[in-house]
Amino acid sequence: DGGITQSPKYLFRKEGQNVTLSCEQNLNHDAMYWYRQDPGQGLRLIYYSQIVNDFQKGDIAEGYSVSREKKESFPLTVTSAQKNPTAFYLCASKLGGRLLYGYTFGSGTRLTVV
Amino acid sequence: DQQVKQNSPSLSVQEGRISILNCDYTNSMFDYFLWYKKYPAEGPTFLISISSIKDKNEDGRFTVFLNKSAKHLSLHIVPSQPGDSAVYFCAASVGGSQGNLIFGKGTKLSVKP
Repeated sequence: DGGITQSPKYLFRKEGQNVTLSCEQNLNHDAMYWYRQDPGQGLRLIYYSQIVNDFQKGDIAEGYSVSREKKESFPLTVTSAQKNPTAFYLCASKLGGRLLYGYTFGSGTRLTVV
Repeated sequence: DQQVKQNSPSLSVQEGRISILNCDYTNSMFDYFLWYKKYPAEGPTFLISISSIKDKNEDGRFTVFLNKSAKHLSLHIVPSQPGDSAVYFCAASVGGSQGNLIFGKGTKLSVKP
């Protein structure tokens, strides 16, 4: 079955550490996205990539970094510069073309700073 | 400045009745609108969409209405079922295939048996 896989489901990080969240898709989708969800805040865009080896900052990119070396993979690194990293992180992908079916989302990673 | 607004954080409805979830937007350039459903600790799942050239789209129990002059869209669920209990996000896009989705903050729907 095609889909998006995010791992791990739960992640704990000590203050000052960088952590990387994995996102892999086998849908042959061109575009991939990272969103952050906080209670009462909806989904906020961190980074997105329309094609391999290219990515753009979203609304809240500070303290995060990404890479897009393969079409299937779009890992997100939460750096120590991110002041409030505890949140639910969602990865999504979209086939090039019209937004008829929107994005396909992964099941998310809950990151907690301890 | 929030471009997509869901002003009701929560909604409670009796099973079998109609649920109406509302969404307002400020950007008149939005040309595509979508609704997503999200359960706790899961990713959102696509529910229904509508293009700005239409004013209504129907899929089973779900109907989305778009009022461009009022910059308002709504999702109707008839009849509501307990399994519909979830957070519903409204999303909008500018620029067709290249546009990124902008999400509202969500409305938590509770359908009571």
